[in-house]
Amino acid sequence: AQKVTQAQTEISVVEKEDVTLDCVYETRDTTYYLFWYKQPPSGELVFLIRRNSFDEQNEISGRYSWNFQKSTSSFNFTITASQVVDSAVYFCALSEGLGKFYFGSGTKLNVKP
Amino acid sequence: GAGVSQTPSNKVTEKGKYVELRCDPISGHTALYWYRQSLGQGPEFLIYFQGTGAADDSGLPNDRFFAVRPEGSVSTLKIQRTERGDSAVYLCASSSVPQETQYFGPGTRLLVL
Repeated sequence: AQKVTQAQTEISVVEKEDVTLDCVYETRDTTYYLFWYKQPPSGELVFLIRRNSFDEQNEISGRYSWNFQKSTSSFNFTITASQVVDSAVYFCALSEGLGKFYFGSGTKLNVKP
Repeated sequence: GAGVSQTPSNKVTEKGKYVELRCDPISGHTALYWYRQSLGQGPEFLIYFQGTGAADDSGLPNDRFFAVRPEGSVSTLKIQRTERGDSAVYLCASSSVPQETQYFGPGTRLLVL
């Protein structure tokens, strides 16, 4: 079974629209960590955020915000007022604290001018 | 400071040949990871080192794949008798300790003809 599911394969929006990328995870551990990474066309994975399972507080960083809900095992990512530079593939990942990350299959975001 | 570096950035080889891929982690990071990313997929875990030892090699697909980290810093991923199915981007990451954020290198794009 997939530990991280990103059901949206590709999303296209027009600049300045808000967009939410969904992430659903599965784990039996009580301690775990969730991450979002951005992979622009250049290919390098860029770290965006890390949350641990004990901190359900939502986080906002500029135009980016994250909604962590343990009740639905979701860790969704919202970009407000999207820009062309936000175009990339976004990955959600889960760590159970043992080293390896489980990545979702990614959501490709296209922001059109 | 310097990030994770990987060499070569691209490698083209023929089926049956041997290849070595190198990763230089962030200075001071004790944990080092290798992932493989196929086109349109998320990274898949291969192996992780804590110091010089492989703490988890459960992701290595078969015995043609081997990795070392003899001095606890630079790591080499070795692939024997390459097959066309080995073609992918091989990503290296490092973190200060296993449960912390992993920072990724630019990857090595391997093409087996």
